[in-house]
Amino acid sequence: DAGITQSPRHKVTETGTPVTLRCHQTENHRYMYWYRQDPGHGLRLIHYSYGVKDTDKGEVSDGYSVSRSKTEDFLLTLESATSSQTSVYFCAISEIGAVDNEQFFGPGTRLTVL
Amino acid sequence: LAKTTQPISMDSYEGQEVNITCSHNNIATNDYITWYQQFPSQGPRFIIQGYKTKVTNEVASLFIPADRKSSTLSLPRVSLSDTAVYYCLVGGQTGGFKTIFGAGTRLFVKA
Repeated sequence: DAGITQSPRHKVTETGTPVTLRCHQTENHRYMYWYRQDPGHGLRLIHYSYGVKDTDKGEVSDGYSVSRSKTEDFLLTLESATSSQTSVYFCAISEIGAVDNEQFFGPGTRLTVL
Repeated sequence: LAKTTQPISMDSYEGQEVNITCSHNNIATNDYITWYQQFPSQGPRFIIQGYKTKVTNEVASLFIPADRKSSTLSLPRVSLSDTAVYYCLVGGQTGGFKTIFGAGTRLFVKA
């Protein structure tokens, strides 16, 4: 399995508090992604990064910010968590290679906002 | 990015061949077709990718007609462990690596 870890794996927080999720990779892949997964919606892209300090918005980026100060780490921040952000968050990585845009996923973080 | 449409769910029995079809009418010339598998409480896992005609690996086959407006994932002789959600994606490098997964097809394999 690709070396991708997410922390924390589970978190319960209250509305209005800031939350930061961390994705760490040991594969030296250039591209990193944050998705959220909710029942009936599959996976939806929040933000992605195509290099250190290079990020772009996905389809559901409102209320989220990201940072990537080094290749191996991609942080997702909820500045002021809301109940609608209760979800399972997946990080993924990819690299240009033999298989176009094959993404490798982390184990996920289950976030509950009360 | 091209949108995909696939059945919400499918049922099958062990030992049968399962075919899941995905439509992508607006596929672009440079787009690839990729399928992922997701088990409960896990992230998706890449199964197969193709551009045209047929691709086969140790897990599945992917059939793509000449017009590329649809594709069919074929799982030979499914087992209970193939119960999962299967996602069809269309895109690639030209899409800036933005990826739309959609809701996927929930396959349930019965004994």
